[in-house]
Amino acid sequence: GAGVSQTPSNKVTEKGKYVELRCDPISGHTALYWYRQSLGQGPEFLIYFQGTGAADDSGLPNDRFFAVRPEGSVSTLKIQRTERGDSAVYLCASSVTGGDYGYTFGSGTRLTVV
Amino acid sequence: DQQVKQNSPSLSVQEGRISILNCDYTNSMFDYFLWYKKYPAEGPTFLISISSIKDKNEDGRFTVFLNKSAKHLSLHIVPSQPGDSAVYFCAASQTGANNLFFGTGTRLTVIP
Repeated sequence: GAGVSQTPSNKVTEKGKYVELRCDPISGHTALYWYRQSLGQGPEFLIYFQGTGAADDSGLPNDRFFAVRPEGSVSTLKIQRTERGDSAVYLCASSVTGGDYGYTFGSGTRLTVV
Repeated sequence: DQQVKQNSPSLSVQEGRISILNCDYTNSMFDYFLWYKKYPAEGPTFLISISSIKDKNEDGRFTVFLNKSAKHLSLHIVPSQPGDSAVYFCAASQTGANNLFFGTGTRLTVIP
């Protein structure tokens, strides 16, 4: 596609529920990143994929968070047993290769846990 | 601990004047710096970058200055236009790293 597409754009869920957030990167971009932006903060790194593999998941806050990219294109960020503190905008970005920091970001998914 | 800091949450500038946005960092290993611009309900958009081997990079109305000894960089926009009104994020990384560290952003308002 022309840009990075994220769905849904908004998600409201109850505390304790499971959610999946989807990212469709720019076609041909091998590097894919997930960031989280809490209110009043800048984006914070969660995980980086190079192709199908998670090359760096050091930013995932705990084991409730997991992400996959099974075919090297679309990625899904999965959050189990959601907590109110998980409320944030989840941003996905892609780039042609890893190390190319001029990422293209999607518009994000605003997750609200009530 | 915030490794990239933008101490001014907001800035207002008259159209046609210069906007100067500032950013400080604490990690001396950072060697690549970027500015992103963000409109409401959109993702950040890459604006301009600079490597630590340079002290200035210019792209049209946008210039980024890097002062390594002070661990400080700034973004100059001249002349400022109303369409420049957005939140600007400073970001930094180091060679071999997979992620960017972002500041908390500065909201720029350009007054027509």
